[in-house]
Amino acid sequence: EAGVAQSPRYKIIEKRQSVAFWCNPISGHATLYWYQQILGQGPKLLIQFQNNGVVDDSQLPKDRFSAERLKGVDSTLKIQPAKLEDSAVYLCASSLAVSSGGETQYFGPGTRLLVL
Amino acid sequence: AQSVSQHNHHVILSEAASLELGCNYSYGGTVNLFWYVQYPGQHLQLLLKYFSGDPLVKGIKGFEAEFIKSKFSFNLRKPSVQWSDTAEYFCAVGGWNTDKLIFGTGTRLQVFP
Repeated sequence: EAGVAQSPRYKIIEKRQSVAFWCNPISGHATLYWYQQILGQGPKLLIQFQNNGVVDDSQLPKDRFSAERLKGVDSTLKIQPAKLEDSAVYLCASSLAVSSGGETQYFGPGTRLLVL
Repeated sequence: AQSVSQHNHHVILSEAASLELGCNYSYGGTVNLFWYVQYPGQHLQLLLKYFSGDPLVKGIKGFEAEFIKSKFSFNLRKPSVQWSDTAEYFCAVGGWNTDKLIFGTGTRLQVFP
């Protein structure tokens, strides 16, 4: 079974530029998550999709971050414009069921973003 | 506020030593609890989880964790660590009817032969 795929793996940009990350979840997984992991911290949920609808985006900085999940499969996360404090690893995860609690989340390799 | 505290930021052990990593949480209501692990160069993956039943949970690679509700704790244990257990360990908490997880800051474990 293929895992969660993410691209690119690394990205270096200057502040005020825009950047986009892509995630392909495990086939058949209904729920998709984007996390931000700043160095020395644990992952922080940015947004959770259930199929192609948003379940939780309470911690997404909506003035600069946006995300979509087309047709309930792939997802993109965009930052525009980027700030220095956005430097982090962006993790995508997916889980099989729909908001049932206790579901195992399967993580991708992450995209390491450096904003200069 | 919902939060997870992992008191040990960096643990160094010799092979065959016993391991206990602390995890305390603050969360209203019934919880699900998780330990995830990230081996060097690999993805985060589930080590074990508790969502109901026996508070002593067994996971992969000989790890176990005990949910003590009165102490809001979910400590991870292994009686004898191996060099291959070198990794970063994250404790996480979620609500009974939600998949949103709150992660701790992680504990870096180094095991020397």
